Amino acid sequence: AQTVTQSQPEMSVQEAETVTLSCTYDTSESDYYLFWYKQPPSRQMILVIRQEAYKQQNATENRFSVNFQKAAKSFSLKISDSQLGDAAMYFCAYRATQGGSEKLVFGKGTKLTVNP
Amino acid sequence: EAGVTQFPSHSVIEKGQTVTLRCDPISGHDNLYWYRRVMGKEIKFLLHFVKESKQDESGMPNNRFLAERTGGTYSTLKVQPAELEDSGVYFCASSRTSGSFSYNEQFFGPGTRLTVL
Repeated sequence: AQTVTQSQPEMSVQEAETVTLSCTYDTSESDYYLFWYKQPPSRQMILVIRQEAYKQQNATENRFSVNFQKAAKSFSLKISDSQLGDAAMYFCAYRATQGGSEKLVFGKGTKLTVNP
Repeated sequence: EAGVTQFPSHSVIEKGQTVTLRCDPISGHDNLYWYRRVMGKEIKFLLHFVKESKQDESGMPNNRFLAERTGGTYSTLKVQPAELEDSGVYFCASSRTSGSFSYNEQFFGPGTRLTVL
């Protein structure tokens, strides 16, 4: 079974600085999707960034980028120029591309605090 | 476009009682998913509907949980009778129909926080 591990329950960063959130996963599949979701306090979870495993190029969305290391099964999220609005729970998630199951497998989450 | 909505936002019940959670997906989304997060643990998949049919219910914890999606629109998740370990946040998500090798984003609702005393 696939598993996703986020080893940092909490992280903090100063406003305008850069922070990296870690995520590792375990799967025997060769193709899959990886995601980072963000859940601000008392608000719903939204997709931050997505990576297809067959793509070697790391995904980037504005200030958010990933470091995808397929052999190491690592998928970290880098937030540049951190803003107060980035404070949230961040969840790393995995989804198989084949086999019919569309379920997301999540890690436990990392609570990010942004200090002014 | 309205997002995924869930009702109620919070529910506090006694052990042994029944609770029904509701999810309204984004209009036109055939796929509907239920997930649950127990405090301090991972968000875990419960089940997946495609229209009114259960595509995957491998995550349903036991037969005290019953999910329905009448007419392929909104869905309900009933817990009967509720136990202490059922406490947590129940999330609903919806997505458009995916092709075999494509992906459609799952949009999440705000969740229902269930507390069983």
